[in-house]
Parts: sequence; C-alpha cells; structure tokens
Amino acid sequence: KQEVTQIPAALSVPEGENLVLNCSFTDSAIYNLQWFRQDPGKGLTSLLLIQSSQREQTSGRLNASLDKSSGRSTLYIAASQPGDSATYLCAVRGNYGQNFVFGPGTRLSVLP
Amino acid sequence: ETGVTQSPTHLIKTRGQQVTLRCSSQSGHNTVSWYQQALGQGPQFIFQYYREEENGRGNFPPRFSGLQFPNYSSELNVNALELDDSALYLCASSSDTFSYEQYFGPGTRLTVT
Repeated sequence: KQEVTQIPAALSVPEGENLVLNCSFTDSAIYNLQWFRQDPGKGLTSLLLIQSSQREQTSGRLNASLDKSSGRSTLYIAASQPGDSATYLCAVRGNYGQNFVFGPGTRLSVLP
Repeated sequence: ETGVTQSPTHLIKTRGQQVTLRCSSQSGHNTVSWYQQALGQGPQFIFQYYREEENGRGNFPPRFSGLQFPNYSSELNVNALELDDSALYLCASSSDTFSYEQYFGPGTRLTVT
C-alpha cells in the first residue's frame, strides 16, 4: 500500500528566501507525481506534474524533482513571496491505480 | 474553457440524513474522481467515473455512491450520514483515467451535526 509523507509539516520563512519542500513515498512503482497548492478552505491548484520518466519540471519560480528509486520528490520555491503562503500537497499515482495518494501537506507561511 | 465547478459550496446536514453533491467537469474531460479531505489531512480517494461507469474505488463504504452523466458531470451521494463524514469533498476531472493532470474544483464543505 502506497504511503506518502511530507516534511516539514509546517514552515515559516521570511520573504525572499529560497526553500525546499520534501515528499517521500514508499512504493517506487509510480506512474506520475503531482504537486498542488491549497489555500485555506479552498480546492487544489495544480502546480507541476512529473511523469515517472522525467527527473524534473519547472514553472516560473517553482522546480520539482523526482527520484523514483529513492522514493523522493522535492519542490523548490525560489525567492519566496507572501502570496506563496498556502499548504503544499504532493500526490503520487501508481502504475496500476486510477487515483492519487496524497501526502498530508506542508503548511508554508512566508512573512513580509 | 471553463474549469471544474462544484455545488453547493457549503452544506449542513443532520446525522442519518442523505446528501447529494454535484460536480461539473472541465470542458473536454471525460473522467471525474471524488476525494474526501478531513481537516488537516490530505485528500482520500473515494471513487472515479469514466464515461459513466465506476472505474475504481477507495476504502469507502457502499453508502458512498456516485453517478456520471452523458455530459460527464457527476454526483456524489452519501446515505446515512455520520459525524465523521464532515469534510471537504473535492472532485477532479481529467482527460483520461490515468496519465494526465487532474484539475480540482473548489470543493463542497459538508458539516454533519
């Protein structure tokens, strides 16, 4: 059974810092991995999707990497801004599953 | 291109009642998945519908059921509501069952008292 963990659970940084969020999964037989952002009480906004054959994806100030063999993904946020404050969730899809398995999220606060 | 929409936004029900939540998928998407997100946790997969058929189910009891319509919109029905059913219910649509990004709606906040 796939299990996804995210470290740290919460993070508070001053504006302008570069930061890394971590995601670990127990079963490396994944089809893809997706990072999401969730504002309080809201739905999920897709940030980046990485297919199992890819090592990383970039969008603006965001870069996500994937190391399938070690069961890890990282989300790198450059030059953080107060508007980046949200909960960041990673989700993995197995080779034989229709659904995503989500981690519990990392709650990020970027202080002005 | 319209995004995923859900209705209602908020809902308060009493234990034992039944509820229906609705989701309109993004234009061109034929697959809808439903998730339950308890406070402070990641979403948990309930089930997926592809072209009007259930295409996979998570660890939820049969009182959670669904439908998908010819226009690919979907409903989630929950019977005999329990207090633990209080959660944010999210639907996500995608172009296929597997490989493409899932796009999530804003969710329905269900409170069971």
